Amino acid sequence: GAVVSQHPSWVICKSGTSVKIECRSLDFQATTMFWYRQFPKQSLMLMATSNEGSKATYEQGVEKDKFLINHASLTLSTLTVTSAHPEDSSFYICSAWDSGPDTQYFGPGTRLTVL
Amino acid sequence: SQQGEEDPQALSIQEGENATMNCSYKTSINNLQWYRQNSGRGLVHLILIRSNEREKHSGRLRVTLDTSKKSSSLLITASRAADTASYFCATVLRGTSGSRLTFGEGTQLTVNP
Repeated sequence: GAVVSQHPSWVICKSGTSVKIECRSLDFQATTMFWYRQFPKQSLMLMATSNEGSKATYEQGVEKDKFLINHASLTLSTLTVTSAHPEDSSFYICSAWDSGPDTQYFGPGTRLTVL
Repeated sequence: SQQGEEDPQALSIQEGENATMNCSYKTSINNLQWYRQNSGRGLVHLILIRSNEREKHSGRLRVTLDTSKKSSSLLITASRAADTASYFCATVLRGTSGSRLTFGEGTQLTVNP
């Protein structure tokens, strides 16, 4: 299947700093990427839908100024957690939609820990 | 919010036994997918069943879909210790910007050697 990478795989930062997470589709072009958050022992919650060349669509309750999404190319979307706080500590997973097979491929996730 | 509910939340079996996980959902769907997640890792796509299909097989996996009851089940036969993971169903509603996945709460499967 198609490969989606995320970088970094884990990050530890101090409260108040900003953290950028990259999501790349390695062997296909993705006009749409999705960002999810997963707390321990819970399911994935969709945060936002990232569309190449346009503004992201955020789910209800997700602050767009807190979680900045940029989808500048067909293979890269970035999620920036601004002024991170300990409650933002979570596992962030992206997926990229391949329109050919109409399938979402998931990245390996990024573990964010805010001290 | 998650529309899917899965049961059981946790399942512990012995190697060689079969494992059955159930998923219920609330809205119309285009298809339903099952994923596996090892602890702290990304998701691996297991199988997709379309809304007009009732049963699908892939290796040791068997998935059923009952759209009248808005439910699906995943059966893993002859389980192995390596099958230990969390399993999620995800309903798919196709939109103009790709297919939106809504995940169930998941079932934690433990297969004891």
